[in-house]
Order: sequence, then structure tokens, then C-alpha cells
Amino acid sequence: GAGVSQSPSNKVTEKGKDVELRCDPISGHTALYWYRQSLGQGLEFLIYFQGNSAPDKSGLPSDRFSAERTGGSVSTLTIQRTQQEDSAVYLCASSDPTGAALDTQYFGPGTRLTVL
Amino acid sequence: GNSVTQMEGPVTLSEEAFLTINCTYTATGYPSLFWYVQYPGEGLQLLLKATKADDKGSNKGFEATYRKETTSFHLEKGSVQVSDSAVYFCALSDFYNQGGKLIFGQGTELSVKP
Repeated sequence: GAGVSQSPSNKVTEKGKDVELRCDPISGHTALYWYRQSLGQGLEFLIYFQGNSAPDKSGLPSDRFSAERTGGSVSTLTIQRTQQEDSAVYLCASSDPTGAALDTQYFGPGTRLTVL
Repeated sequence: GNSVTQMEGPVTLSEEAFLTINCTYTATGYPSLFWYVQYPGEGLQLLLKATKADDKGSNKGFEATYRKETTSFHLEKGSVQVSDSAVYFCALSDFYNQGGKLIFGQGTELSVKP
């Protein structure tokens, strides 16, 4: 079946603008994760959604970052008033926490964000 | 908090050489351990995993054993190929205590020369 998809694949924006990044998880996966991959910080966890539970936002670096998940499927990561240090590849992953491979996450191709 | 440390790269080997990439972890619970691989221009892929002490994960000729006594999960392959050139990430997750979020090491770049 289809894997995790993300859009856009590349986004170039100007400092101070808002951006929205989209993630479509694997159908039936109720857990969804956002990570950030940058040269200086490596791979960092940002936020985690599981079903209807309150999301784990413990990895969000500032209040400029927010995310929502509509209908338990598609998720949008929003970065307000972007800064140059937000430039990174934003990765989305999903998993099926009810199955035997409950801790196995499947990653999308990422969105490369460049803030000028 | 939980953390993962892996050996710095880049690692450069000749084809058919033996590969070891060291990974150690710190965790308060009983995490699962993973190796993910990122080939040039591609996304992260799960390579192998182990969920409890003494488990051995294996895939594509790669192996890693979950060693609780040394808090390690070293990646090994007996004979590397040029196609193994990639960045390798060691990671852990503690699903029951922390919801499964992955904590990654800094990544080790492997370059295999023909």
C-alpha cells in the first residue's frame, strides 16, 4: 500500500513568513510523529499524535511551532514567523500501535524548508 | 533523560571489509532499539530492531545485538558493498513510558569504495 507522503517536497520562504507542511500517514496508522533533521541538531522529535489523545508537544522548540491532526489522519505542521534557524528537513512518520510492530515507525520523504 | 551516542563518521571502507558502527544508549526504562538507514537522496528506512535484552536484529546482512549489560547496540556486517554507502542512525524508543517517540544518535556516514 501507499507509504507516508509529505508535501511540499521543498519549500523556500522569506524570514518572517508562515509556512504549513502536510503529512499523510499510512492508512490505518493511528500514531503520527513529526521530526526535524538539521545539520546542527541531527534528528529531533517534535510532536506525537495518538488517536484522540492529547498530543505530546514536548519536542516543539518554540511557540511559533504548532501542529494539528484532522480526523485522525492528515496532519499539518505550522511554523509562524519563520527564522533562518528553522531551515531543516521536516520528517513525518506513522505507526500502528495496536499491531505486533507497535514501535516501528515508517517515515515519509520529508519536506526541505529553506528560510532566506 | 534517554539518549543515544554513536561513533562519529565518516567511516570509509573498501568493498568486502568488515563493518562495525558503535552505539550506546542511556535509558531509564526498557526501550526498544533500532538502526535506521538513509541512502543518498532517500528517506529514513528501518534497517533492523530489537525489543529486549539479548535479542538480535538482522536484515540485509546487517546484525545488532541488544546488550543490556553494556547498554550497547553495535551494528555489524561481515562484508560491505558499495551499495551500503549511506548514513546510519541508531535510535531508541520507550513506547509504554514515552509514547514511542524515537531518540536518535547523531548518525554515522559510511562510504564504501570499490
